[in-house]
Amino acid sequence: NAGVTQTPKFQVLKTGQSMTLQCAQDMNHEYMSWYRQDPGMGLRLIHYSVGAGITDQGEVPNGYNVSRSTTEDFPLRLLSAAPSQTSVYFCASSYSPNTEAFFGQGTRLTVV
Amino acid sequence: GQQVMQIPQYQHVQEGEDFTTYCNSSTTLSNIQWYKQRPGGHPVFLIQLVKSGEVKKQKRLTFQFGEAKKNSSLHITATQTTDVGTYFCAGLGDFNKFYFGSGTKLNVKP
Repeated sequence: NAGVTQTPKFQVLKTGQSMTLQCAQDMNHEYMSWYRQDPGMGLRLIHYSVGAGITDQGEVPNGYNVSRSTTEDFPLRLLSAAPSQTSVYFCASSYSPNTEAFFGQGTRLTVV
Repeated sequence: GQQVMQIPQYQHVQEGEDFTTYCNSSTTLSNIQWYKQRPGGHPVFLIQLVKSGEVKKQKRLTFQFGEAKKNSSLHITATQTTDVGTYFCAGLGDFNKFYFGSGTKLNVKP
């Protein structure tokens, strides 16, 4: 099993550009989420989904969109990149919020 | 809004010393999970606590969930260099949202 696969691993964007961070899991997990990790701030929830067709906002949703058309995929879209979105992004999945979460390897994004 | 505070931010110990990190939530949590992240890596699940007052052990690691389900701790006995990393707690709050603590970075000197 591949687990949770995130692409790309590294990305540099110019301010104002848009892009999509991909996340796919092959464990048939219903619950998927996106976090950003900044120094000294832990992981902050951006968006999450409890199943296909259902998404909701986390702590820091502004500037990001998500969709969940299939159980396997949960892409994160940056609409118009800003330097404040420079961060490491992690995707995670689990059977439910009450079970172990598996994290992807992360995407290191720099916005210049 | 809901918050999970974690202290200390950093801890430097000599190998063989004990280590403890604490999490406190502003609201009652449904469960609390603990993760370890090695430098340059991704968070890896350690354990989940669900019941009020629950205590779980994994070899040298002891996890506790407070009676009011608002606080938790992770204690490592006799640290080893393999324990190096950042330890995060994550509490499940309202609407199935997880709130991570800011993490405690543990450094172990051999």
